[in-house]
Formats: sequence, C-alpha cells, structure tokens
Amino acid sequence: EAGVAQSPRYKIIEKRQSVAFWCNPISGHATLYWYQQILGQGPKLLIQFQNNGVVDDSQLPKDRFSAERLKGVDSTLKIQPAKLEDSAVYLCASSLGLDTQYFGPGTRLTVL
Amino acid sequence: GQQLNQSPQSMFIQEGEDVSMNCTSSSIFNTWLWYKQDPGEGPVLLIALYKAGELTSNGRLTAQFGITRKDSFLNISASIPSDVGIYFCAGNSGGSNYKLTFGKGTLLTVNP
Repeated sequence: EAGVAQSPRYKIIEKRQSVAFWCNPISGHATLYWYQQILGQGPKLLIQFQNNGVVDDSQLPKDRFSAERLKGVDSTLKIQPAKLEDSAVYLCASSLGLDTQYFGPGTRLTVL
Repeated sequence: GQQLNQSPQSMFIQEGEDVSMNCTSSSIFNTWLWYKQDPGEGPVLLIALYKAGELTSNGRLTAQFGITRKDSFLNISASIPSDVGIYFCAGNSGGSNYKLTFGKGTLLTVNP
C-alpha cells in the first residue's frame, strides 16, 4: 500500500513570495491533516479535512495560509506571502476515519 | 491550548542500554501515542494506548498509559544503533475531530 505522498520535498523562497505544497493521502483515507513542524518542536496541526470539508482550522493563520481539498482526495496548502517564521517542515497526514494518522515525508520550507 | 511536557529533551546512551522517556500533561487525555521520526521523514507510529493503566509492548518497546490519564512513558530495552531518532508523545483529549497534541520530542543517540 502506498503511503502519503508529498511534493516538493524541499523549497527555498524569499520572504513575501508565495509557495504551495501538495499532498496525496493514502487511498481511501477520508481524513487529511496538515501540520507545521518548526525545528526542535513537535508537529502542530494547521488544518484538518474530513473528505472535502474543513473540520478544524483554528490554528491556521488565515491571513496568509490557505488550504483546499476540492475532490476529497489530494490537498494543497498555500502560503501567500511567506514570512521568515514560516520556515519549517510541513507534514501531511491521513487517516481512515478518526484514528491512526499516517504521515508523509514532509516538505522542508526555507524562507530567506 | 493543551501542552505536553516531554522529557528528557535528549539522551546519549551506549548500545545495549535501556532507555526511558516520559510525557506529562496538565489535562486529561483519552489516547496516548508514541511516534518516532527519522531525519527527513515524517513521524511513524510506534505504540497507541487507549485505556488508563494500559501497558503495551511492540518488540523492544513498552509504553504505559498513566492511571491519572495525564502521563505516559516509553521504554526501549537493549537499544541498538537504529533506535536513533526523535521520539514524540502525542495525546488526544477526545472530541469529534480526534485532534492530536504533540510533545517537543526526545532526541535519542545510541553509541555503537
């Protein structure tokens, strides 16, 4: 069974630029999560989707971050414009329902 | 928001030694999870605990869900070099969205 796929694996941008990350969850998994992991910290939930609906986006900085999961499968997370403090690893995870979350390898973002 | 205090922050041990790490919370959790994260990868689930007092093993790993539901610990016996990585505890306090709160991680280094 294929795992959670993410791309790109690495991205370097300058502050105020825009960036987008893509996630393809495990086939059949209804729930999809985006986490931000700052160096030396544990992952912090940004947004959770159940199929194509948002369940929790309470910790998403909505002035600059947006995410969508239009057909209930793939998802994209966008940052516009990026700030220096957005440098982190962005992890996507999926689960069949509300249970064990399986993580992708992450996208390491560096904002200069 | 909820916070998990994970300790120690880092450990440097010799191959063959046993390791213990723990997590405490100021609030009650319904589920405790332990993940391992290798460099450049997403976290991988090691053990999940669902009941207060539960003691669960996975090979050389043993984890317990504290009776007060506010703590958990993970033991690794007879460590080997591939145990190197960052270990995270995570808790779920219930609710409809199964939101996980992660600790800051314990960095384990094993000297062969």
